[in-house]
Amino acid sequence: EPEVTQTPSHQVTQMGQEVILRCVPISNHLYFYWYRQILGQKVEFLVSFYNNEISEKSEIFDDQFSVERPDGSNFTLKIRSTKLEDSAMYFCASSWTSGESGSQYFGPGTRLLVL
Amino acid sequence: QKEVEQNSGPLSVPEGAIASLNCTYSDRGSQSFFWYRQYSGKSPELIMFIYSNGDKEDGRFTAQLNKASQYVSLLIRDSQPSDSATYLCAVKVFGNEKLTFGTGTRLTIIP
Repeated sequence: EPEVTQTPSHQVTQMGQEVILRCVPISNHLYFYWYRQILGQKVEFLVSFYNNEISEKSEIFDDQFSVERPDGSNFTLKIRSTKLEDSAMYFCASSWTSGESGSQYFGPGTRLLVL
Repeated sequence: QKEVEQNSGPLSVPEGAIASLNCTYSDRGSQSFFWYRQYSGKSPELIMFIYSNGDKEDGRFTAQLNKASQYVSLLIRDSQPSDSATYLCAVKVFGNEKLTFGTGTRLTIIP
């Protein structure tokens, strides 16, 4: 069964450093998403991406964040200058459609720890 | 005002019984509703979605939607210890792509 994959599974970085989180969405999906979950809190939407551009983003997704689909398979989230409060689990998700039946399938996540 | 509300639990249910999980939402523009299961330290795993009023069944799971009451629920029949997890309700509003999640209900199935 196709699944979303993410690398790395864990990332430890120093405050102020740049990190890139990588995702390979399900191959025939067209919509891609990043969510995050701070420990003990709810899953929060960051950004959605369709047709090589951002289609929706949240207030969390400020200028420190960027997304890219550098090739036909990878989807990346870059945090330019990490802060302590960026420590969270980051989930990539993908869906075939964005309509009412557009089910989003989540990858296993990258646990980011900013020291 | 919270957009998607769930009782955080924990909800304890004996093995073999029916577990009932509830979710309310505030945005009347909400279009579709998703139930995810999340084991500790893992990612959300899609169980099922519903977008029409009424019941939708998938195996041991039944989702129920009442848009007038802004209420969606998930019933798990013949509960198994492996069903012990946090259950997340997520809502999509018409015209948006994002899912808005509740805080989840922690379910424990007692053998």
